[in-house]
Amino acid sequence: KNEVEQSPQNLTAQEGEFITINCSYSVGISALHWLQQHPGGGIVSLFMLSSGKKKHGRLIATINIQEKHSSLHITASHPRDSAVYICAVLMDSNYQLIWGAGTKLIIKP
Amino acid sequence: DTGVSQDPRHKITKRGQNVTFRCDPISEHNRLYWYRQTLGQGPEFLTYFQNEAQLEKSRLLSDRFSAERPKGSFSTLEIQRTEQGDSAMYLCASTKGGVWYGYTFGSGTRLTVV
Repeated sequence: KNEVEQSPQNLTAQEGEFITINCSYSVGISALHWLQQHPGGGIVSLFMLSSGKKKHGRLIATINIQEKHSSLHITASHPRDSAVYICAVLMDSNYQLIWGAGTKLIIKP
Repeated sequence: DTGVSQDPRHKITKRGQNVTFRCDPISEHNRLYWYRQTLGQGPEFLTYFQNEAQLEKSRLLSDRFSAERPKGSFSTLEIQRTEQGDSAMYLCASTKGGVWYGYTFGSGTRLTVV
């Protein structure tokens, strides 16, 4: 079993839909990252959180430390949101990131 | 400072050749990481440096792979006697270190071994 599991692996939705991507982990962590990777390969850090909820524009990230679960939500989705979204956890034993396999999101106009 | 720079962006090499990639992190970041990403997979940890010291290496990093960060600034990743299985995107990331600082990623070097 992977230490970081993401679901779904692939998600196709219509423009305007509310999107949820889930991340579950099984290790002790210091923080959790949500990252966005575009087809060209570049990775952008969206959020880093260790508790509660963070919001940036149309993106919302939540984390429940007790349940070892985080969600990334996109409101009013747009085709430019199409990308791979990756959850990565920062181990509390060292500073190594453990990555999920990513969720490929396609938003159709 | 415009972020983490990686050079080259793309590299095509023949099997058996040696290749070297360079990563220039954000200047005040003391931690530097190398990851490898194959198609459809999340990045895999290869190694990381705190300043010039290489603190951890993944078991994925065979003897053909070596990384350096000689002055605690830029880093190089060399692959000797490349194999087709080495074809991947090689990503570099840097951070100030500690829990509360985010990571900044380079655009990656895409290696194709033919």
